[in-house]
Amino acid sequence: GQQVMQIPQYQHVQEGEDFTTYCNSSTTLSNIQWYKQRPGGHPVFLIQLVKSGEVKKQKRLTFQFGEAKKNSSLHITATQTTDVGTYFCALRRSNTGKLIFGQGTTLQVKP
Amino acid sequence: EAQVTQNPRYLITVTGKKLTVTCSQNMNHEYMSWYRQDPGLGLRQIYYSMNVEVTDKGDVPEGYKVSRKEKRNFPLILESPSPNQTSLYFCASSFSWDRVNEQFFGPGTRLTVL
Repeated sequence: GQQVMQIPQYQHVQEGEDFTTYCNSSTTLSNIQWYKQRPGGHPVFLIQLVKSGEVKKQKRLTFQFGEAKKNSSLHITATQTTDVGTYFCALRRSNTGKLIFGQGTTLQVKP
Repeated sequence: EAQVTQNPRYLITVTGKKLTVTCSQNMNHEYMSWYRQDPGLGLRQIYYSMNVEVTDKGDVPEGYKVSRKEKRNFPLILESPSPNQTSLYFCASSFSWDRVNEQFFGPGTRLTVL
């Protein structure tokens, strides 16, 4: 079945450093979503990517969808302590209501 | 306020004692879903519902039941809980299933089965 690999599992950075998490799929994706979960909280939707090669920005966050639509990345520029949390990618299995989440990347930011 | 609510938020129970976790949304969403979250495994889908009276299995449905008699409610039933169902459970909803759009998550239910 359709699988998604997310790396790295953990990342510790100094405040001000950049951070990137990657999602990779063995099959072509129709779209991909990104969520953030703060410690002790619930996942919160960040963005959805649909088009091949799409790049979207939200302040210091940059989301990319690969040209082949098999991978995606989330890049945070100049991390802040408010960026701490776990970032998940998610995709929907074609023509079904099934949603698959990546394992998540947990970001720790040292002030 | 648009939201997804879950009850209870915390539950400690014993093996074999039937329990129900309720989920309700006030956004008139068609799609609702249950997930469990375990360390290192991310979020795994248990069951989902594309509309009233339409439910289907996710990736880890064993040991769980659901029903969707009304649009706003999607309870998760554990007929005979076992310790391997100790987990953090999230309910989520979105406007529809066939247009991928953002899911709104409830606050979570932390279940411990002894």
